[in-house]
Amino acid sequence: EVQLMESGGGLVQPGRSLRVSCVASGFTFDDYGMHWVRQVRGQGLEWVSSINWNGDTVAYADSVKGRFTISRDNAKNSLHLHMNSLRPEDTALYYCVKYTSSSVDSSYAMDVWGQGTSVTVSS
Amino acid sequence: QSVLTQPPSVSGAPGQRVTISCTGGDSNIGAYYDVHWYQQLPGTAPRLLIHGRNNRPSGVPERFSASESGTAASLAITGLQAEDEADYYCQSYDSLSGHVVFGGGTKLTVL
Repeated sequence: EVQLMESGGGLVQPGRSLRVSCVASGFTFDDYGMHWVRQVRGQGLEWVSSINWNGDTVAYADSVKGRFTISRDNAKNSLHLHMNSLRPEDTALYYCVKYTSSSVDSSYAMDVWGQGTSVTVSS
Repeated sequence: QSVLTQPPSVSGAPGQRVTISCTGGDSNIGAYYDVHWYQQLPGTAPRLLIHGRNNRPSGVPERFSASESGTAASLAITGLQAEDEADYYCQSYDSLSGHVVFGGGTKLTVL
């Protein structure tokens, strides 16, 4: 079964750091680009970051650029998002998402979604 | 403010046809980047509904279809059913920003 399982969410104070992770199973992980998409409760989807199959190409939303770093470990079928200088507006459910292409520089579909890991930034 | 614009809500009675629009610009839909659609049922993760030129993943009913014209795309649902009540999102790629973009989402209410 194709699956993405996120972990690492939790409650963190403003200005602190947190790393969320995702483990993939059921498909050849290093054949595909990956994304993080977040959703504030009751609001829409916001694309956060993407990484191509080998990590050479990454992209970030303006709202997180300079604070978040996406990375992947193909040997461990894992995707990570390291979040620094967290703000209350980063509070959201963070989804790990599989792309249907190895690259992330064009429009392909997101065909597999995890269940999300919740991040709350509050003092 | 989303790069792709969707109506906040649409509604229809069971059996009716509804459409959800997704309006972009020359750097995304108008630049021939594919538009994809997602359905998010309450309390669940989004799922891919339609990808590319009106392609449905296995398990998605033929009642769902998509089209594109110029800088806009639309999702059509025919024979509306109560189970279709959900949030729907369009997604494409924007060459100006260099990344994936989503529409703001549309809440479908089945009356």
